[in-house]
Amino acid sequence: AQSVTQLGSHVSVSEGALVLLRCNYSSSVPPYLFWYVQYPNQGLQLLLKYTTGATLVKGINGFEAEFKKSETSFHLTKPSAHMSDAAEYFCAVRGDTGRRALTFGSGTRLQVQP
Amino acid sequence: DADVTQTPRNRITKTGKRIMLECSQTKGHDRMYWYRQDPGLGLQLIYYSFDVKDINKGEISDGYSVSRQAQAKFSLSLESAIPNQTALYFCATSDLLNNEQFFGPGTRLTVL
Repeated sequence: AQSVTQLGSHVSVSEGALVLLRCNYSSSVPPYLFWYVQYPNQGLQLLLKYTTGATLVKGINGFEAEFKKSETSFHLTKPSAHMSDAAEYFCAVRGDTGRRALTFGSGTRLQVQP
Repeated sequence: DADVTQTPRNRITKTGKRIMLECSQTKGHDRMYWYRQDPGLGLQLIYYSFDVKDINKGEISDGYSVSRQAQAKFSLSLESAIPNQTALYFCATSDLLNNEQFFGPGTRLTVL
């Protein structure tokens, strides 16, 4: 079975600082990996995804993530945090069962301090 | 108009009541999902459906049932609600090709 671990349920950064949200996964087949963002009182919105090919993936709002197979990681980064980035972020992996449903991590809440 | 809609958006009910949450989509996707979100636990899969005749249990299906009335509609029922079913419920859809999921706005359910 597949699983996702997000290190740090809460991360706080200053506006303009680097954002780093950590995600490690396990999967018995080559994974598809996703980062979703959830703003208060809203559903989840896809930030970026890795399927195959280039391991550095760029998404919306200046976020990017790098797939590192040797480390089984897919960490999310943004060079300079903005107040509007405050939200909850979820990492997910496409399952390695025949049905290929997504498995989500427990989420990381990002706070951005002025 | 939103591609994935959920009704109701908020619901307060009492223990033992039957509740139905509805989801509709205009994306033309075959696959639909119901998730439950609890603080600190992320999203847990309740049920998923890959077409009208293909319905499958997820991680936490006990106490829930579903109905796929049409390609565009997927309903979640709580036959006899209990307080630990208080949560935020999300419906999602995906197509066959890339497994990216598109989420509805959620239904906040409170069981007293």
